[in-house]
Amino acid sequence: NFMLTQPHSVSGSPGKTVTISCTRTSGSIGSNSVQWYQQRPGSAPITVIFEDNQRPSGVPDRFSGSIDRSSNSASLSISGLKTEDEADYYCQSYDSSTRVFGTGTQVTVL
Amino acid sequence: QVQLVESGGGVVQPGRSLRLSCAASGFIFTNYGMHWVRRPPGKGLEWVAYISYGEIDGGSTGYYADSAKGRFTISRDNSKSTLVLEMDNLRPEDTAIYYCAKDQWPQWSPGFDSWGQGALVIVSS
Repeated sequence: NFMLTQPHSVSGSPGKTVTISCTRTSGSIGSNSVQWYQQRPGSAPITVIFEDNQRPSGVPDRFSGSIDRSSNSASLSISGLKTEDEADYYCQSYDSSTRVFGTGTQVTVL
Repeated sequence: QVQLVESGGGVVQPGRSLRLSCAASGFIFTNYGMHWVRRPPGKGLEWVAYISYGEIDGGSTGYYADSAKGRFTISRDNSKSTLVLEMDNLRPEDTAIYYCAKDQWPQWSPGFDSWGQGALVIVSS
């Protein structure tokens, strides 16, 4: 099985852009799609990106996802940072019938 | 709209058992795979178990994280649109908020699109 490694925390000022990486430890990042979830304190997670770069309806286009095969990683970018974006973010992929979550990244809006 | 409501959480002693339920509504339950995901205090999300959609012959298959194998059993009652997690031989490290989550697409999906609000399980003597 593989793991997905994320930075423990990232921060940015309102209006700026932050990017969260998600590195797959073995196997190719492009082999299985990556999803991204936002979890605010005391709330259930919500999907912000699915299938690498697709945004669910209702998620602002400030959120974008990408895959970089050269670094074997996925990324979530949040542009025009707002205070409401302060939350924990998790990448997630799969291996056959199991699911794998990333280690999680806390986003702080300064 | 999709609703997932967990119940059955509580405080339990190590070695004892607990049964979590998730009542689903707002979608055709039998058509979707379902999962349990947990978040221990101070830690990140951890996938626990998955059960495949309800196939025509009534069979569904369960899959487990290594931490759950041999102790947890996932099941579903399609007639009641209910997902269940039976947890045996509980350990303090099983303390967490347990979420049920729905596959995004019918039959199979790489990710989830709906989550319940969670059920708190505390394993402590």
